[in-house]
Amino acid sequence: QKEVEQNSGPLSVPEGAIASLNCTYSDRGSQSFFWYRQYSGKSPELIMFIYSNGDKEDGRFTAQLNKASQYVSLLIRDSQPSDSATYLCAVINPQFYFGTGTSLTVIP
Amino acid sequence: DTGVSQDPRHKITKRGQNVTFRCDPISEHNRLYWYRQTLGQGPEFLTYFQNEAQLEKSRLLSDRFSAERPKGSFSTLEIQRTEQGDSAMYLCASSFPGAGGDLRLAKNIQYFGAGTRLSVL
Repeated sequence: QKEVEQNSGPLSVPEGAIASLNCTYSDRGSQSFFWYRQYSGKSPELIMFIYSNGDKEDGRFTAQLNKASQYVSLLIRDSQPSDSATYLCAVINPQFYFGTGTSLTVIP
Repeated sequence: DTGVSQDPRHKITKRGQNVTFRCDPISEHNRLYWYRQTLGQGPEFLTYFQNEAQLEKSRLLSDRFSAERPKGSFSTLEIQRTEQGDSAMYLCASSFPGAGGDLRLAKNIQYFGAGTRLSVL
């Protein structure tokens, strides 16, 4: 079983809609959770990090963590075509484990 | 300091040759990481340094791979006797100093370089 699981997609949403990206992890000892965005041919860039149960909001992005269900999600409100990218979920336990990423396409 | 820099950006080599990549982290960062990423996959952890000490090494890492960070600043990743399966993007990342040595507890936000794309013919 992989440490981090993501639906590879592709996920398509119309411009202005909410995009919902999901991630599950296998080890309950995982403490820190990250979402990275990666454009094609580029390196990952940090979008959000979350350590505590609940929601964390930053602009159009909201990260949600549920440690009991071992579930992390990322919501993107008012999706823009520039949000089209692959979104990587990562956890620390104790090394960094990345999921395979979910490809998001925002249709104008 | 504009961020993590990696050199070269692209490397084409023949099977059996040795290659070496360099990573210069953000200057205040004491942690440095190497990852490998193939198409359609997330970055795969290879190894991690805190200052000059190599603290973690993936059990999946072949003994043909070696990494150094001799003065706690830049790092090199060497691949000996390259194979076609080594073709990938090699990413370096660095992070701010965290509290204590337990990676799980540190607020360990990593910043990535642009990567070195290796093609083994």
